[in-house]
Amino acid sequence: LAKTTQPISMDSYEGQEVNITCSHNNIATNDYITWYQQFPSQGPRFIIQGYKTKVTNEVASLFIPADRKSSTLSLPRVSLSDTAVYYCLVGVDSGGYQKVTFGTGTKLQVIP
Amino acid sequence: SAVISQKPSRDICQRGTSLTIQCQVDSQVTMMFWYRQQPGQSLTLIATANQGSEATYESGFVIDKFPISRPNLTFSTLTVSNMSPEDSSIYLCSGRVETEAFFGQGTRLTVV
Repeated sequence: LAKTTQPISMDSYEGQEVNITCSHNNIATNDYITWYQQFPSQGPRFIIQGYKTKVTNEVASLFIPADRKSSTLSLPRVSLSDTAVYYCLVGVDSGGYQKVTFGTGTKLQVIP
Repeated sequence: SAVISQKPSRDICQRGTSLTIQCQVDSQVTMMFWYRQQPGQSLTLIATANQGSEATYESGFVIDKFPISRPNLTFSTLTVSNMSPEDSSIYLCSGRVETEAFFGQGTRLTVV
């Protein structure tokens, strides 16, 4: 399983765009990149997933360069409710049989 | 997608006793996973539960301490046996649907 490295914490003001970068230098060919969000006292919640280039959904964008050794989660115009821990995971294959392991995560604090 | 119902949501238990945590998924999932999360920390994988076979445990976790059942594709239990205060933690179950993992809300266990 590819090891991930991401900042331990970040602060941002409300209304700003937040970019959280994750490094995964030994990502395998079949690996996807997935981001999860976790609020206190809740289980992690899926945000977005990608394999290469750019993926966008209603809550975030995921940018993946051509070498796939890193990825950036972009949260547009954050609000106080976006304060949470964000986990970057790689090693989730399409077959559904590979276990999911978590890195340290990035604790995002949104400031009013 | 999948919805995972986990219970109990929290419990306070006496040392030396055992607690069984249940997870019910609203759809069939091939693999289920059990995690432990200490306050303020990331998730640590305990074991992978497959239907019809013994669970596969991660390093540092053993079947005698954390027996797991997986009687069908929508249900699993984790038992925390002979509890000590060091077992106080949040326990989460997870199921995979293709490349996405879904999590229960967690069980907050306090051992006194």
